[in-house]
Amino acid sequence: AQSVAQPEDQVNVAEGNPLTVKCTYSVSGNPYLFWYVQYPNRGLQFLLKYITGDNLVKGSYGFEAEFNKSQTSFHLKKPSALVSDSALYFCAVRDGGVTGGGNKLTFGTGTQLKVEL
Amino acid sequence: EAQVTQNPRYLITVTGKKLTVTCSQNMNHEYMSWYRQDPGLGLRQIYYSMNVEVTDKGDVPEGYKVSRKEKRNFPLILESPSPNQTSLYFCASSFRQGNTGELFFGEGSRLTVL
Repeated sequence: AQSVAQPEDQVNVAEGNPLTVKCTYSVSGNPYLFWYVQYPNRGLQFLLKYITGDNLVKGSYGFEAEFNKSQTSFHLKKPSALVSDSALYFCAVRDGGVTGGGNKLTFGTGTQLKVEL
Repeated sequence: EAQVTQNPRYLITVTGKKLTVTCSQNMNHEYMSWYRQDPGLGLRQIYYSMNVEVTDKGDVPEGYKVSRKEKRNFPLILESPSPNQTSLYFCASSFRQGNTGELFFGEGSRLTVL
């Protein structure tokens, strides 16, 4: 079974500082990894994904994530946080070696990011 | 505009009164899915559909039904709602794309069962 862990319920950071939102995963085959963001009263929006290739992937709004196979991690990062980045962030994993069963994503429990002035 | 549309966005109902949450997408996606979001539990998949007339259970299907008679629509049916089905529900869709494609989500439907 595949799983995702987001160890921090909330991350607080000052505007202009770098931010990191942590994610670790467990799958049997090759991991397909995703980050989504949820703003208040909105649906989830895709930020970025890792399928294969370069371990550092870049996404929307200046976010990036680093895939680390040995540590089974996919941490979300941004060099300089903005107040408007405050939102709920979800990490998700899919087993790339599984056929059938649809495009099922397993989500983490979410991390609330709060960026303060 | 490409979108996934859910209705209603907010609903308060009583135990046992059948209800349907509609979901429609205009992107010609083959795959559609329903999730529920609960505090501390993240998103959990209820049902999914690979294409028209093809549906299957997700992780938490009890108390729910779905149908996929048309490619664009994937309604979620609660035949006899109970208070433990009070939750925030999301419909999502994507192309199959060998499982590498991202999901597109609706805005959510907040359901309260009294």
